[in-house]
Amino acid sequence: DTTVKQNPRYKLARVGKPVNLICSQTMNHDTMYWYQKKPNQAPKLLLFYYDKILNREADTFEKFQSSRPNNSFCSLYIGSAGLEYSAMYLCASSTTGGASEQYFGPGTRLTVL
Amino acid sequence: GEQVEQRPPHLSVREGDSAFITCTYTDPNSYYFFWYKQEPGASLQLLMKVFSSTEINEGQGFTVLLNKKDKRLSLNLTAAHPGDSAAYFCAEGNNYAQGLTFGLGTRVSVFP
Repeated sequence: DTTVKQNPRYKLARVGKPVNLICSQTMNHDTMYWYQKKPNQAPKLLLFYYDKILNREADTFEKFQSSRPNNSFCSLYIGSAGLEYSAMYLCASSTTGGASEQYFGPGTRLTVL
Repeated sequence: GEQVEQRPPHLSVREGDSAFITCTYTDPNSYYFFWYKQEPGASLQLLMKVFSSTEINEGQGFTVLLNKKDKRLSLNLTAAHPGDSAAYFCAEGNNYAQGLTFGLGTRVSVFP
């Protein structure tokens, strides 16, 4: 099974409120990723977990937090949503290494009002 | 930062014709390259990964060519059929960073 699951598929949030998105995989992959995709833009890496080590991209460091309670689950947390957070959030997983293919979930579409 | 330029953004082809998509990249450390296909409402699905230069890689109904000298990656959908209608994304990775850098995507429509 090469499925990556994401919940919820659609999320509506108010400006200033927190948002928590969930991702899970059962492939025993050691690395899990979160990407943000906005219309007419390329998917952009936000952060990734290698095992229990969190790596956040420099330009989104303060905007997103994440946790990985076990190998299968990874969350993306926004403490205070702004309008600019409206986007599709894609979760992916892989084994370690740049050559490893990443398996993607269907995404969560977040709309901030 | 490093970028991947993907063209064209939209492509409309007749069934049976070819659809050609090109990506150019700037990162000299780019080493691994991927093509993903995304049908409406579905996940990104890996079509192929390549890392050998100037080699034609054949898949089911498509070919991929990587030219590291020109920093160019291409996808050719041969004899397109309606099931090829989707968004296609190229992506590159390297040994120094775990994440992928994606192109903007190409939306392909195959009409009868």
